[in-house]
Amino acid sequence: QIQLVQSGPELKKPGESVKISCKASGYTFTDYAMHWVKQVPGKGLKWMGWINTYTGKPTYADDFKGRFVFSLEASASTANLQISNLKNEDTANVFCARWNNYGVMDAWGQGASVTVSS
Amino acid sequence: IQLTQSPSLLSASVGDRVTLSCKGSQNINNYLAWYQQKLGEAPKLLIYNTNSLQTGIPSRFSGSGSGTDYTLTISSLQPEDVATYFCYQYNNGWTFGGGTKLELK
Repeated sequence: QIQLVQSGPELKKPGESVKISCKASGYTFTDYAMHWVKQVPGKGLKWMGWINTYTGKPTYADDFKGRFVFSLEASASTANLQISNLKNEDTANVFCARWNNYGVMDAWGQGASVTVSS
Repeated sequence: IQLTQSPSLLSASVGDRVTLSCKGSQNINNYLAWYQQKLGEAPKLLIYNTNSLQTGIPSRFSGSGSGTDYTLTISSLQPEDVATYFCYQYNNGWTFGGGTKLELK
């Protein structure tokens, strides 16, 4: 079955960097784009952007330009999100989600917790 | 496109018919989906293209609407439906509504 498995929780200090991975299985990785979604605990969902898993081209939402980088390890069916110069407001759960042919996210990772604290 | 969900909190009893609302700041052209998120879990796709039921989702869930106004209906509320529900538009970019938290009365 389709599965997206994300890396484990991260505890970082302000100014550090973090890399979150999302390993896909159960389908052809390059046939579906991968989206990233942020959720502050107890709050709503915020779309961060997406990456074309065939070409590797990333697209970032306005609030996620500059410190955020989407990348691929296509041979490993893995999408990555790197956040640099971490700030307290980056504390959140971050989800990867497969984007299907109808334009919706139909399968989600379990979420990766990022905590930024001095 | 901004999405406004109402109410933000809804209390209902088992067996009730429940209606959740999602209003867009512009025409969404039926590119509207609904997600269910239970505590500590990832969102789950329920409905896409306004009224198409995702595979494996119980038929008590249904969607309707057009233009800027959309609705998710649960025909007979079950205990396992306690969750937060988010609408999501993909007509112009991608945005989520603020969510409706559904609890049992």
